[in-house]
Amino acid sequence: GAGVSQTPSNKVTEKGKYVELRCDPISGHTALYWYRQSLGQGPEFLIYFQGTGAADDSGLPNDRFFAVRPEGSVSTLKIQRTERGDSAVYLCASSLSPGPDTQYFGPGTRLTVL
Amino acid sequence: KQEVTQIPAALSVPEGENLVLNCSFTDSAIYNLQWFRQDPGKGLTSLLLIQSSQREQTSGRLNASLDKSSGRSTLYIAASQPGDSATYLCAVPAGGTSYGKLTFGQGTILTVHP
Repeated sequence: GAGVSQTPSNKVTEKGKYVELRCDPISGHTALYWYRQSLGQGPEFLIYFQGTGAADDSGLPNDRFFAVRPEGSVSTLKIQRTERGDSAVYLCASSLSPGPDTQYFGPGTRLTVL
Repeated sequence: KQEVTQIPAALSVPEGENLVLNCSFTDSAIYNLQWFRQDPGKGLTSLLLIQSSQREQTSGRLNASLDKSSGRSTLYIAASQPGDSATYLCAVPAGGTSYGKLTFGQGTILTVHP
């Protein structure tokens, strides 16, 4: 079956612009996660959803970052007033149920802020 | 706060060698531990998930062990092949209601040369 998909695969933007990154989880997976990975580092947690609600958003670095999952399936990570330090690979994952279940990752979106 | 460390940061071996990757974590109250593989420019692929009640888990040439009390896990790769070249990451979930939130190590970059 189809895995987790993310669009776009690459996004280049200018400092100060707004960007949206999209994640399509595996069908039927109720939990969805966003992580950010800088070069040479492991992924860092940003936010996770159970259904439509954000169960834990403690990893969002500041109020420029926001994520939604309005129908409990597709999620969008939104970044306002982008800064060069936001450049990273943004990874999305989903799992069948909320909890310590195997997470399946998408290929990521590489964001470059010039 | 949970911290995960992986040693070594990089490893280069000739084809056919057996090798061990190490992962340590500071808070032993974990629910499980996952090992992932990441190929360059790609997302993460789950290799093995060990529940806290298990001591080891095997899949093909891979064997992962877990010693909760000492805060350590090892990933053993038998008869390494060039196709095993990738970054290997271990991760543990946070506790409480946020056990879907994974904390990752920084990874071990493995190169297997013919």
